Amino acid sequence: DADVTQTPRNRITKTGKRIMLECSQTKGHDRMYWYRQDPGLGLQLIYYSFDVKDINKGEISDGYSVSRQAQAKFSLSLESAIPNQTALYFCATSDSRQDGELFFGEGSRLTVL
Amino acid sequence: AQSVTQLGSHVSVSEGALVLLRCNYSSSVPPYLFWYVQYPNQGLQLLLKYTTGATLVKGINGFEAEFKKSETSFHLTKPSAHMSDAAEYFCAVSDRRGYQKVTFGIGTKLQVIP
Repeated sequence: DADVTQTPRNRITKTGKRIMLECSQTKGHDRMYWYRQDPGLGLQLIYYSFDVKDINKGEISDGYSVSRQAQAKFSLSLESAIPNQTALYFCATSDSRQDGELFFGEGSRLTVL
Repeated sequence: AQSVTQLGSHVSVSEGALVLLRCNYSSSVPPYLFWYVQYPNQGLQLLLKYTTGATLVKGINGFEAEFKKSETSFHLTKPSAHMSDAAEYFCAVSDRRGYQKVTFGIGTKLQVIP
C-alpha cells in the first residue's frame, strides 16, 4: 500500500459543484501539503499544515479550503469549482525533524467542465 | 525569497548519450537542494538531495548532481541515458530555517530517442 494515498484519482465535475479531495498518510509525518500541477508551471503550493492545529495558505489558496482532520488526514475542498481549477493535484508529507524532503501521493486529476 | 530556474522545459537525448539537466537556484541562506522525478501518471519521487557535506551527490538509477555554491547551480547528470529515463524532472530548493518551504522549478521533460 502507498504511504500517501489520494482519493479520488480522477474526477470530472461541473462548474459550481463542491469537490473534496482527500489525502491520508501512514508515514507518521507531522507536515502535510497540497500542491497543484499545471503544464509549464511546475508545482504551486495551495495550503500546508504543520500539525492538526496549524494550517497556512500557500501561493494560490484563493478558491480552495482545507481541513486537517487528524495528523494522518488532510483534505482539500473546492467550494464552487471553476474550469481554471482543472489540474493535477498532489498531496505531500514531510517530517519537520528532517531536511524538507517531500513524499508525494500519486495525484488526483480534476476536470471541471 | 528563494527561486529555481530550470533551463529547457524539454530536452531530447539519444539512448546511451549523456543526460544533463540544468538547475540554478537563488536563496538568501544555504539551501537544501533536491531533484525529483515524475514518471507518467505517477507522483513525484526523490531522485537525490544535497543537504550538507560532499557536494557531489549520487542518487537512484545512476543519476548524480553537483552542488556548486559559486555558480548557484545543482545540475543533474547521467552518463548514459536509458529509455526508462524518459520522465519529467523537477529541481527544488528548501530553506534551512524552521519553515523549510520548498520551491520547485517548472520541470524539464526528458525524451530519450532510440
